[in-house]
Amino acid sequence: EAQVTQNPRYLITVTGKKLTVTCSQNMNHEYMSWYRQDPGLGLRQIYYSMNVEVTDKGDVPEGYKVSRKEKRNFPLILESPSPNQTSLYFCASSFWGHNYEQYFGPGTRLTVT
Amino acid sequence: GENVEQHPSTLSVQEGDSAVIKCTYSDSASNYFPWYKQELGKRPQLIIDIRSNVGEKKDQRIAVTLNKTAKHFSLHITETQPEDSAVYFCAPSTSGTYKYIFGTGTRLKVLA
Repeated sequence: EAQVTQNPRYLITVTGKKLTVTCSQNMNHEYMSWYRQDPGLGLRQIYYSMNVEVTDKGDVPEGYKVSRKEKRNFPLILESPSPNQTSLYFCASSFWGHNYEQYFGPGTRLTVT
Repeated sequence: GENVEQHPSTLSVQEGDSAVIKCTYSDSASNYFPWYKQELGKRPQLIIDIRSNVGEKKDQRIAVTLNKTAKHFSLHITETQPEDSAVYFCAPSTSGTYKYIFGTGTRLKVLA
């Protein structure tokens, strides 16, 4: 089954404790992206990757890191989480370039206390 | 950068009525115009998209129309049903750039 998976689905952590949210896709997509969703603000892009070892910043990259060492995986790293990073996070993937449907993962709800 | 606005932010319609959501964008080079639907507690999913060489596209009860001159495109849902209740997002984009800007969403409520 073609899918995008994320783990964990729910996470409660404390300020400053490093965490990683994993994202994996099995559709051989070149493009992968991370978004955060907050009430009233829609989906805002954090980072994206056009292919292995190629990443770039989206609109809200501060406080986040990513890596793309393998085509199927695109982990999101919060080195020192803060309460303002409490949000719902979605990973998405698509074939290379624009004009292609993005497939979203199920989301990760993160709470930072 | 691209500026994307959606209107209205909330919309309530009676079951069976039509609903129209409008997305306005600023980048005249935009050439791909998708609409995503997000049901409560679920992930966004593409429901319909259109490319700049087409003015209108229909898929059963949903349609998208594009006005490139005015830089807006709209989602039309006819004969609305309770399962159409969701948040809808537009995300116009441009070939050659890899940033995506989503609209802030429209919450549609279909009243039975």
